[in-house]
Amino acid sequence: GAGVSQSPSNKVTEKGKDVELRCDPISGHTALYWYRQRLGQGLEFLIYFQGNSAPDKSGLPSDRFSAERTGESVSTLTIQRTQQEDSAVYLCASSLVTGRETQYFGPGTRLLVL
Amino acid sequence: QKEVEQDPGPLSVPEGAIVSLNCTYSNSAFQYFMWYRQYSRKGPELLMYTYSSGNKEDGRFTAQVDKSSKYISLFIRDSQPSDSATYLCAMSLDLNKFYFGSGTKLNVKP
Repeated sequence: GAGVSQSPSNKVTEKGKDVELRCDPISGHTALYWYRQRLGQGLEFLIYFQGNSAPDKSGLPSDRFSAERTGESVSTLTIQRTQQEDSAVYLCASSLVTGRETQYFGPGTRLLVL
Repeated sequence: QKEVEQDPGPLSVPEGAIVSLNCTYSNSAFQYFMWYRQYSRKGPELLMYTYSSGNKEDGRFTAQVDKSSKYISLFIRDSQPSDSATYLCAMSLDLNKFYFGSGTKLNVKP
């Protein structure tokens, strides 16, 4: 079946612009996670959703970052007034429910802020 | 101090070698330990997970956890060129929020 998909796969933007990154989880998966992966570094937890509720937003780096989820489906991560340090791969993962060790990752969106 | 420390490598070994990958962590409350494999320009995929100290084996892979030392390892036996990837350890208190190491890049030479 279809895995987690993310769009766009690549995004180049200018400093100060807003960007929206989209994640389509595996159908039926209620838990959804966003991570940031800077070049040569591990994954940095940003936020997770159980359904459309986000119990823990503590990983969002600043108030320029926000995320929302429509029902138990698509999620968007929005970065306002992008900065060069926002350049990274943004990965989305989903699992059947929260509290499971198995997350299925999408291929990521590569964001470059010039 | 980072929650999880992992040597970035790269680690280069000949085909057939035994590979040892390691992570240390600072938070003794971590209960769940995972290893992911990430191929270039792909998302990570879960290899193994364990909840307790000791060893867990799955084919050529063995995960080892030493909670007293806050140290986890992944061993790969009879390594193959197809094992060449970046290996990430991950940990969690509650399987809601996950902390990842920076990844070790492994190259298995034919």
